[in-house]
Amino acid sequence: EDKVVQSPLSLVVHEGDTVTLNCSYEVTNFRSLLWYKQEKKAPTFLFMLTSSGIEKKSGRLSSILDKKELFSILNITATQTGDSAVYLCAVTTGANNLFFGTGTRLTVIP
Amino acid sequence: DGGITQSPKYLFRKEGQNVTLSCEQNLNHDAMYWYRQDPGQGLRLIYYSQIVNDFQKGDIAEGYSVSREKKESFPLTVTSAQKNPTAFYLCASSRDSSSGANVLTFGAGSRLTVL
Repeated sequence: EDKVVQSPLSLVVHEGDTVTLNCSYEVTNFRSLLWYKQEKKAPTFLFMLTSSGIEKKSGRLSSILDKKELFSILNITATQTGDSAVYLCAVTTGANNLFFGTGTRLTVIP
Repeated sequence: DGGITQSPKYLFRKEGQNVTLSCEQNLNHDAMYWYRQDPGQGLRLIYYSQIVNDFQKGDIAEGYSVSREKKESFPLTVTSAQKNPTAFYLCASSRDSSSGANVLTFGAGSRLTVL
């Protein structure tokens, strides 16, 4: 059975801390892994990863994929209260299958 | 600005009633999707459509129906047969679903509460 597992389920940190969110997967015919940020309603796209070992960066956020160990991490450095959100990991397989994890709820305290 | 518009944002209905959630996109995307989000669970796929006049069931299609008469529109009907309809419903679209590496654009969601 294809599955995507995110950890931790929730996380509370103080502003300025660095956090690492994890996403592991077991799927058939992996194509890509995507990270989304969901603040209140619509998830917004962060990264798409298809190759192992190539870090994607956007400001204080970065992500990397390990296709051998079947996981990805999302790092956020110097966290701000605006980073508080649910972070969703999703894996695409085959022609049109997309599996989401349960998400990690990050709360950044001032 | 291009995007996806879902309506209504909040909806209440009584048991036994059907309700239709609207989803419109002006991104010229071919593929559209409906997901359901429940607390503590990941997004689950209800239905998706890769092209006009064609759609496929997702993982939890029972109790739902869709139509795709226009490229821009993909309405979802929650029927009385859906046993636990109270949830947050997200519509999404992507340029091309066949590549296997499609990035979804999401609408703001519709929260349905059954009284």
